[in-house]
Amino acid sequence: NAGVTQTPKFQVLKTGQSMTLQCAQDMNHEYMSWYRQDPGMGLRLIHYSVGAGITDQGEVPNGYNVSRSTTEDFPLRLLSAAPSQTSVYFCASKPGASNTGELFFGEGSRLTVL
Amino acid sequence: AQSVTQLDSQVPVFEEAPVELRCNYSSSVSVYLFWYVQYPNQGLQLLLKYLSGSTLVKGINGFEAEFNKSQTSFHLRKPSVHISDTAEYFCAVSEEDSGAGSYQLTFGKGTKLSVIP
Repeated sequence: NAGVTQTPKFQVLKTGQSMTLQCAQDMNHEYMSWYRQDPGMGLRLIHYSVGAGITDQGEVPNGYNVSRSTTEDFPLRLLSAAPSQTSVYFCASKPGASNTGELFFGEGSRLTVL
Repeated sequence: AQSVTQLDSQVPVFEEAPVELRCNYSSSVSVYLFWYVQYPNQGLQLLLKYLSGSTLVKGINGFEAEFNKSQTSFHLRKPSVHISDTAEYFCAVSEEDSGAGSYQLTFGKGTKLSVIP
C-alpha cells in the first residue's frame, strides 16, 4: 500500500520558473492538503481540498495554485517561483473532512529556488 | 482562529530519563488536539490525539499527553526515553466539528528532542 506519494523529492528552480509538485494517494481519502515546512516555523497550510472539485486556501496561499479533478490527485503549482518559496513541501490526506481524523503525510518534496 | 505555542524549540535528555514537551493552544471555540512526530527526512506521523472524554491520552511508543482546559495546555510526556525517540515533535490544533466549515489543522513550530546516550 503506497499511501501518499509525492514527486519529485528534490527540485532546483530559477526565479520566475514554474513547476508542479505532484501528490497522489491510493487510500480513497476525501481530504487532501499541502503544507510547507520552514526551519523554526513548523508546518503552515497552503491549500486544502475536501473532495474532488473543491479547494480552499490555507494560511499561506499566495504564489500557489491547486486543483482537484480526481479523488486521488492534488497537484500544487508554482506559477512564478521566488526564493521565498524555497522550502520542504508536504502533501497530507485523511479519510473525510472531519477534524477528528488522522492526517497521513507523504515523504516531502524539497524545493530550492535560486 | 486557533494557534499553538510550543514552549521549547530544543530539548536534550539522557536516555532512560523522563521527558515533557510543552504545548499551549489558543482558540475561541472547543478544539481537538494532536501530537505528531517527524523522524529525520520523513513525513509526520500521528502519536496521539485528544477529541473528548478522558483528559489523559495514551499514544504509540509509550507516549502520553494530558489535556488541561483551564491552562489551555496539552503537554506530551514519556517516562523513559530511548535513542530512537530522537525526532521533532509537533503539537497541532483544530476546531471541534461544528458544520461551520473550518477544516484547518494548525501546527506549532516544533520541538526537537535529542536523546543523549
